Amino acid sequence: QQPVQSPQAVILREGEDAVINCSSSKALYSVHWYRQKHGEAPVFLMILLKGGEQKGHEKISASFNEKKQQSSLYLTASQLSYSGTYFCGTGRDNYGQNFVFGPGTRLSVLP
Amino acid sequence: DGGITQSPKYLFRKEGQNVTLSCEQNLNHDAMYWYRQDPGQGLRLIYYSQIVNDFQKGDIAEGYSVSREKKESFPLTVTSAQKNPTAFYLCASSLGTERYEQYFGPGTRLTVT
Repeated sequence: QQPVQSPQAVILREGEDAVINCSSSKALYSVHWYRQKHGEAPVFLMILLKGGEQKGHEKISASFNEKKQQSSLYLTASQLSYSGTYFCGTGRDNYGQNFVFGPGTRLSVLP
Repeated sequence: DGGITQSPKYLFRKEGQNVTLSCEQNLNHDAMYWYRQDPGQGLRLIYYSQIVNDFQKGDIAEGYSVSREKKESFPLTVTSAQKNPTAFYLCASSLGTERYEQYFGPGTRLTVT
């Protein structure tokens, strides 16, 4: 079942902060975050695993509330290069059978 | 350099023709995936494979077929049975399962008229 992302779209000025949320109705094993620029391939940002393990880019921060089946991606002091569509992907187990991407959040950073 | 390649970048076909999209990786990844993306939409899983000679249907497999004869290659055939094949197709690979990040190829934009 596809996770829900909020907001659907957000517009920021350079230097402002944003939070993108991802939630599921099912218990989760993992949450992935990717950013896609128009016409390009998605790029990996971060993985958060059940139990607290995280891996990803140094300048990206995120949280994973296992009980609430929710994850949030925190973008601080945004730069123009942060513009794009952010997708979360959720996995319910580690068997490769239940991974699904959310619909995306479109982020625009203006000068 | 390690990575995933997809070819061609743009592909045009007439309705009723089958077409095969190429995906090759030299990352030594076990798992490979095919996604379809429509304008302004998310990524929908077509097929995935966790090991050679084995693959599983995703959410929208109807009208598509795949093979995984080599670890490095995971071609996707869009058959004439696919009712609305025009889309952006993305191939990805990972070390395996949901514990690992996916690396995406540059995509193939297919237009069927």
